[in-house]
Amino acid sequence: ETGVTQTPRHLVMGMTNKKSLKCEQHLGHNAMYWYKQSAKKPLELMFVYSLEERVENNSVPSRFSPECPNSSHLFLHLHTLQPEDSALYLCASSQDPGGVGPNEQYFGPGTRLTVT
Amino acid sequence: AQKVTQAQTEISVVEKEDVTLDCVYETRDTTYYLFWYKQPPSGELVFLIRRNSFDEQNEISGRYSWNFQKSTSSFNFTITASQVVDSAVYFCALSEPYSGNTPLVFGKGTRLSVIA
Repeated sequence: ETGVTQTPRHLVMGMTNKKSLKCEQHLGHNAMYWYKQSAKKPLELMFVYSLEERVENNSVPSRFSPECPNSSHLFLHLHTLQPEDSALYLCASSQDPGGVGPNEQYFGPGTRLTVT
Repeated sequence: AQKVTQAQTEISVVEKEDVTLDCVYETRDTTYYLFWYKQPPSGELVFLIRRNSFDEQNEISGRYSWNFQKSTSSFNFTITASQVVDSAVYFCALSEPYSGNTPLVFGKGTRLSVIA
């Protein structure tokens, strides 16, 4: 595997279900991100992890819970979601250059989530 | 506050035509970074270019070229001799300079359709 992978690619869940999205990066990066992409809306940053610590939580509802067990893996745990949470969830990674300026982020293919 | 505007929601061109995608940004920082990403139908965002605010030289990469003009706060992207494989949604993004893992602020994207 190369780059950034995400599983599952598609997920349909009911509002009472609990599910998790998985992201894995094979690039040796030290920062990982979750983004939400809804129809006709800009990409919205949800969470940022740097060196396995959460550095940004962009006012995301608590029904979304991230977990970063190591620098290569990132999870998004989902519970009691709403239909408006249906979207494409994208994971990305980058190499933190230590204050020099942001490096480009590399994205996975996303998980298309439908909440019924 | 940072903001990225891509005024063109959708563009349709015939193969081999040249096309320019517009990007206008707002920031109060004097140092910042600009990016372009391509999102093909498969979903993942593909990094195309990163440019810092001190480098105003235009860049060319094959059929792709970028015109960065600080005076008009624009970072436009031109595809020369477009091909069907160029069909995708293109995103312009902006980032602050002081943290390596600073999140990107994305525009809403421009959907480009290249017709054979």
